Amino acid sequence: EAGVVQSPRYKIIEKKQPVAFWCNPISGHNTLYWYRQNLGQGPELLIRYENEEAVDDSQLPKDRFSAERLKGVDSTLKIQPAELGDSAVYLCASSLEFPATDTQYFGPGTRLTVL
Amino acid sequence: EDKVVQSPLSLVVHEGDTVTLNCSYEVTNFRSLLWYKQEKKAPTFLFMLTSSGIEKKSGRLSSILDKKELFSILNITATQTGDSAVYLCAVEAGSNYQLIWGAGTKLIIKP
Repeated sequence: EAGVVQSPRYKIIEKKQPVAFWCNPISGHNTLYWYRQNLGQGPELLIRYENEEAVDDSQLPKDRFSAERLKGVDSTLKIQPAELGDSAVYLCASSLEFPATDTQYFGPGTRLTVL
Repeated sequence: EDKVVQSPLSLVVHEGDTVTLNCSYEVTNFRSLLWYKQEKKAPTFLFMLTSSGIEKKSGRLSSILDKKELFSILNITATQTGDSAVYLCAVEAGSNYQLIWGAGTKLIIKP
């Protein structure tokens, strides 16, 4: 069974540029999460989807971040414009349901560097 | 404010040693505590603990939860270089089952 797929794996951009990350969850997983992980810290939840509905986006900086999960499968996270402080690893995870009694499965992440 | 604190922040030992990693928490409406291993990028699940005093074991790794003293430990015996990673602790809590993450313990195993 394929795991959570993310692309790109690495992205380097200049500040004020836009950037987008893509995630394909495990087939059949209804719940999708986007996390941001800064160096030396644990992941921080940005947004959680139940199918195509964003049910928890309280930690998403809505002035510059947006996300969508059309058709309840793949998801895209966008930053526009990017700032230096956005440099981090962006992790996507999915679970069969929520609460994730069988836990969340993480993708390899996208390392973003903003110059 | 909910918080999860891991200690030590980093640890260097030699192959064959036994290590104990700590995770303490202060949260509202505790649901479960989870341990993850993170190599390179993606955290991978190790254990989920919900009940005090019941040890979870997988090979050389084991973990136990103390809900009275609000902490968990992760033990690794006969360590190998492949155990080198960041070990993350997360606590599921609250009415929305939010995951609160610790900062992790970076474990380095020297041959």
